[in-house]
Amino acid sequence: VQLVESGGGLVQPGGSLRLSCAPSGFTVNDNYMSWVRQAPGKGLEWVSVIYSGGDTYYADSVKGRFTISRDSSKNTLFLQMNSLRVEDTAVYYCARDRYSYGRCLDQWGQGALVTVSS
Amino acid sequence: DIQMTQSPSSLSASVGDRVTITCRASQTIDYYLHWYQQKAGKAPKLLIYAASTLQSGVPSRFSGSGSGTDFTLTITSLQPEDFATYYCQQSYSTLRTFGQGTKLEIK
Repeated sequence: VQLVESGGGLVQPGGSLRLSCAPSGFTVNDNYMSWVRQAPGKGLEWVSVIYSGGDTYYADSVKGRFTISRDSSKNTLFLQMNSLRVEDTAVYYCARDRYSYGRCLDQWGQGALVTVSS
Repeated sequence: DIQMTQSPSSLSASVGDRVTITCRASQTIDYYLHWYQQKAGKAPKLLIYAASTLQSGVPSRFSGSGSGTDFTLTITSLQPEDFATYYCQQSYSTLRTFGQGTKLEIK
């Protein structure tokens, strides 16, 4: 099992970026999938989850600005980030949210760095 | 949102020591509590899920206990590779939350 994130980079405040997460060894559609971020030198912050049935949930800090989605044909998870702020600067991890294990995050990607700066 | 409070925030210990990290939830979360280990520059790694179940491949010196609002992670006989930051996380709520982390350092 492996998850590979891509799409990170430098963006100006107010800009947009889309992260991708491509797992191998399992199907995004059949699993809950989460995004978690970590600002430089800070702790982990849960960002969003998409359930296998399609329901989505967001942390208050990103609600209305970020959108989690998936593409079953590409077996890929996405995080569309709009209206980015300096405080969104972080490493973003995708993770499998394992329903059968009490909804723990049992597999993680390597992370994608998003830097929001002018 | 459910708030998760870990203590201590940092801890110094020696190889061979036994250490305990606690995590308290602001409301009951049943057994939906998980523990992760993170080393510098790396992704977190799942250690314990559902409060007390050891993830496959994790050494048996790690153990978890608790239910409701109070939980503990115990590491017996610390090894050099155990010095890292540890996080608890609840999944009782649709809005998952993490504790602030406990940094375990070598004394």
